[in-house]
Amino acid sequence: DTAVSQTPKYLVTQMGNDKSIKCEQNLGHDTMYWYKQDSKKFLKIMFSYNNKELIINETVPNRFSPKSPDKAHLNLHINSLELGDSAVYFCASSQDAGYQPQHFGDGTRLSIL
Amino acid sequence: GDSVTQMEGPVTLSEEAFLTINCTYTATGYPSLFWYVQYPGEGLQLLLKATKADDKGSNKGFEATYRKETTSFHLEKGSVQVSDSAVYFCALSGSGGYNKLIFGAGTRLAVHP
Repeated sequence: DTAVSQTPKYLVTQMGNDKSIKCEQNLGHDTMYWYKQDSKKFLKIMFSYNNKELIINETVPNRFSPKSPDKAHLNLHINSLELGDSAVYFCASSQDAGYQPQHFGDGTRLSIL
Repeated sequence: GDSVTQMEGPVTLSEEAFLTINCTYTATGYPSLFWYVQYPGEGLQLLLKATKADDKGSNKGFEATYRKETTSFHLEKGSVQVSDSAVYFCALSGSGGYNKLIFGAGTRLAVHP
């Protein structure tokens, strides 16, 4: 029944490693997003895909690479993890790329040792 | 660029008190405005929205009115409950094109019995 699901919920890893976070939505939405929430709870958009096509790419280091195999999935791969990447990453989806409400997953807490 | 400013928290209230969380925005065009709520350990949930000037969004006893003249979208509730304790985020989207949510910094609300 979960509308937007992310895995894993927690991810603890060493600096320099490569890791992936997966996101799936079963709402039939066309558009998906990745947001980063820092330790002060500030949320900022990173990427958005519409029907598997990248439409928003904020100023994010190119160590972060989103991939959308189909419109129900949007994964986030991070290379060469750094201490500053520690955050909670939220996936979201919306019906389309217009001004529709976004539905969020429960987040993935990434901790870099 | 577009931005959202919220009152700083934490806001601490007794049960049944009146709640106001101020939110003002800066945007080009005519954005849609949202309030999202984040309960501890969870993702964001849409609380209410308004898509044009003078619209009032309401849900679960919370209300907010889109005031174009004052560029504000203040959140109010007449009688808060302990279960309302959470972080509240004001956000806008639709300014400048894609459905990119721009969030305020969040306001933590703590309600005690």
